[in-house]
Amino acid sequence: NAGVTQTPKFQVLKTGQSMTLQCAQDMNHEYMSWYRQDPGMGLRLIHYSVGAGITDQGEVPNGYNVSRSTTEDFPLRLLSAAPSQTSVYFCASSYSTSKDTQYFGPGTRLTVL
Amino acid sequence: AQSVAQPEDQVNVAEGNPLTVKCTYSVSGNPYLFWYVQYPNRGLQFLLKYITGDNLVKGSYGFEAEFNKSQTSFHLKKPSALVSDSALYFCAVRDKEGSYIPTFGRGTSLIVHP
Repeated sequence: NAGVTQTPKFQVLKTGQSMTLQCAQDMNHEYMSWYRQDPGMGLRLIHYSVGAGITDQGEVPNGYNVSRSTTEDFPLRLLSAAPSQTSVYFCASSYSTSKDTQYFGPGTRLTVL
Repeated sequence: AQSVAQPEDQVNVAEGNPLTVKCTYSVSGNPYLFWYVQYPNRGLQFLLKYITGDNLVKGSYGFEAEFNKSQTSFHLKKPSALVSDSALYFCAVRDKEGSYIPTFGRGTSLIVHP
């Protein structure tokens, strides 16, 4: 199994540009989520999905969109990038019960100029 | 509502000495508790979890954690620290009877000195 994969690893955008961060998992996990990690802030949940066709907002959803058309893929879209979105983004997946471990991708480091 | 506190931003310990990284939690019901480790420029990796049963949980790389219900704590421990243990450690909690969305602490940077 490849686990959770994320592309790209690094990205530099200009303010106002759009882009999609890709996330895929091959473990047939129902639950997938996106976090951003900022110094001193820990991990903050952006959006999550409990299965194909179902998404919901997390703690900091503004400026981000998601969709879940398949079990495997959970892309994160930035419609109009802002410098405040400079961060490291992690995708995670797990089975959907509370006791299940989350598996994290390697992260995407995004800089918005 | 659920929350996690990691009261120390940084823990410094000498190689060979025991280490403790602290975590306290708050949930409405019964907790599921997790520890994850993040090495530089990497994603988080699972270390161990408490679901039920024995309060002392053993995990990867020689780490263990003790669930203390009365103190609502789940401190991470290791008897003898290694320089390679230097990393960022995150505690997370899920409410057994609530949402399966976990809440993460802010992380504790562990620095092991040679």
